[in-house]
Formats: sequence, C-alpha cells, structure tokens
Amino acid sequence: GQSLEQPSEVTAVEGAIVQINCTYQTSGFYGLSWYQQHDGGAPTFLSYNALDGLEETGRFSSFLSRSDSYGYLLLQELQMKDSASYFCAVGRGYGQNFVFGPGTRLSVLP
Amino acid sequence: EPEVTQTPSHQVTQMGQEVILRCVPISNHLYFYWYRQILGQKVEFLVSFYNNEISEKSEIFDDQFSVERPDGSNFTLKIRSTKLEDSAMYFCAMAGTSGNPGEQFFGPGTRLTVL
Repeated sequence: GQSLEQPSEVTAVEGAIVQINCTYQTSGFYGLSWYQQHDGGAPTFLSYNALDGLEETGRFSSFLSRSDSYGYLLLQELQMKDSASYFCAVGRGYGQNFVFGPGTRLSVLP
Repeated sequence: EPEVTQTPSHQVTQMGQEVILRCVPISNHLYFYWYRQILGQKVEFLVSFYNNEISEKSEIFDDQFSVERPDGSNFTLKIRSTKLEDSAMYFCAMAGTSGNPGEQFFGPGTRLTVL
C-alpha cells in the first residue's frame, strides 16, 4: 500500500522557523517532493530530494533520510504569505505519478 | 515559468450528466496527469498519460472516466455519468523529459460541482 503521514496543522509567528515532517511507506520510491498550495490555488513545486541530505532553496530547505523513510521541509524567516497547505509527495519513477501526503496547514501569525 | 491552462474554471452539473474537463499542456512536456482534490483533502492521483495512451490509473479511475488528446494538443478528462461524490477540484499536471524529476506543473484546476 501507499501511505504518507504529516502533521495536520502547524502554527508559527512571522520570522520564526518551522519544520514540517513527512514519513512514508510506498511501493517504489524515486524521490520526495514538496508542494505548496494556497487556498483555492494549485499545488506549486517547492523542493525535491532523491538522495539523503539537505537541499536548500532560498528560505526553504528539504531533508531526506531514505533509510528512515522520512523527510522534512524547513521554512525559515516565515512570512504571512507562507500561510498555506504543504504536501509531501513520493515520486515512484521518472514520469510516474505522485502519491501525496494528507497535507499540513501552516498558519503564520503576526 | 511554464503555464498550464484548464477550462472551465468552474463547472456545475446535474447528477448523471456527462462533463468534459480540458487542459492545454505546455509544449515539450510528454507526461500528463489528472489529479483530483475533494475540498479540504489531499491531492489524489487519477490517471497518467504518455505517448497517447494511459500509462497508469488509480482505483478511482473507473469506467465512468476516460482521457484523450483529441487534437494532439488539448488533454481532456471525461466523466460519463457524474455522481455527487465526483464534486471536487480537478487538476491536470505535466512533466517533461528533462529538468527536475520531482517537479510537475499543475494547472489552476476546474472546480466541479455535481448537484
């Protein structure tokens, strides 16, 4: 089967750092992606890890441990516009569909 | 940045009616996908399409659903006889043969409401 777990909600204040965890159990694993989705919007790509370690893209970083079937998204210097839902998604091969996690709703408070 | 477009943005239909959702893909992207998202829930995979045929489909994608590229450009999802539980946001997405393998480009979605 395919299952991904994420916390349902996270709240933080502007300027803070927040970490959103994701654990997964899937048949086949190629890499772990992270997507952001604002209310009423489409998922937009943030970050991707195929190998263990940390990937940094501006204020966003993503980490993967394949042996632990675990990853996280780290958001630094939080801004109000970061309030959105964040989904981890497992890719099972190039061109294959993603299996999405349940999503974490991040609320950034002033 | 590449842009995927979908029409209509919102479709309201009566239960049992057929609907066709359309997606205009980005050129040079060869992998196409349809996902759906029931309000407040996760994004669920429906079907993937490559080289003008279905490459994979989920349990959700039953006989009521079909996909095609009728004119080699637009990519359509048809639901033959809609049910109340088909009410959801439907996203098309695509991926290329180069670039980041973890990235799919999503369209803005079509909100389907079945009454």
